[in-house]
Amino acid sequence: DAKTTQPPSMDCAEGRAANLPCNHSTISGNEYVYWYRQIHSQGPQYIIHGLKNNETNEMASLIITEDRKSSTLILPHATLRDTAVYYCIVRVAPSGQNFVFGPGTRLSVLP
Amino acid sequence: NAGVTQTPKFRVLKTGQSMTLLCAQDMNHEYMYWYRQDPGMGLRLIHYSVGEGTTAKGEVPDGYNVSRLKKQNFLLGLESAAPSQTSVYFCASRGQLEFNYGYTFGSGTRLTVV
Repeated sequence: DAKTTQPPSMDCAEGRAANLPCNHSTISGNEYVYWYRQIHSQGPQYIIHGLKNNETNEMASLIITEDRKSSTLILPHATLRDTAVYYCIVRVAPSGQNFVFGPGTRLSVLP
Repeated sequence: NAGVTQTPKFRVLKTGQSMTLLCAQDMNHEYMYWYRQDPGMGLRLIHYSVGEGTTAKGEVPDGYNVSRLKKQNFLLGLESAAPSQTSVYFCASRGQLEFNYGYTFGSGTRLTVV
């Protein structure tokens, strides 16, 4: 599975868009980009995933660059409850193998 | 629909004691996983199962054993607990079509070994 690089921490003002970047320059053609988040002391929560095209659901939007070497998770109107660690994971799917969770980005939404 | 339930939520063990952590899912998922998370770190896979009666080692399997006798349950055992096993343990499951919902995680078990 391709390795990902995320900034260790970010701040965002409440009500503003939070843009979380992820670099995955060694991604291969059949690998997907997944995003999960972990709110303090809870189990990780699935947010969104994509292969090539941009994706949007009720939680967030995922923007993947044309060369697929990086992506951005967008929380359009961040709230205090969005404060969490966000994990960007790249892997072939579906697969019997597990997700590899790195250190992620700690997003702090500030009032 | 409870999702993934982990028991117990908290436990303190003495070094050398044994215990079993239970993970139960009611979503008829094929795949189940046990992770541990140490302070300030990401999750590391201990063991996983791709179906009833099957188990496989993950990244950090030493000191742990698992069993998947029933599809809905995945047990994690510590035969002789060590302080290095103090951690938060998360169980997760997913179905064949992981695109739909990704992994579903339990709320975790906080284990302290003294």
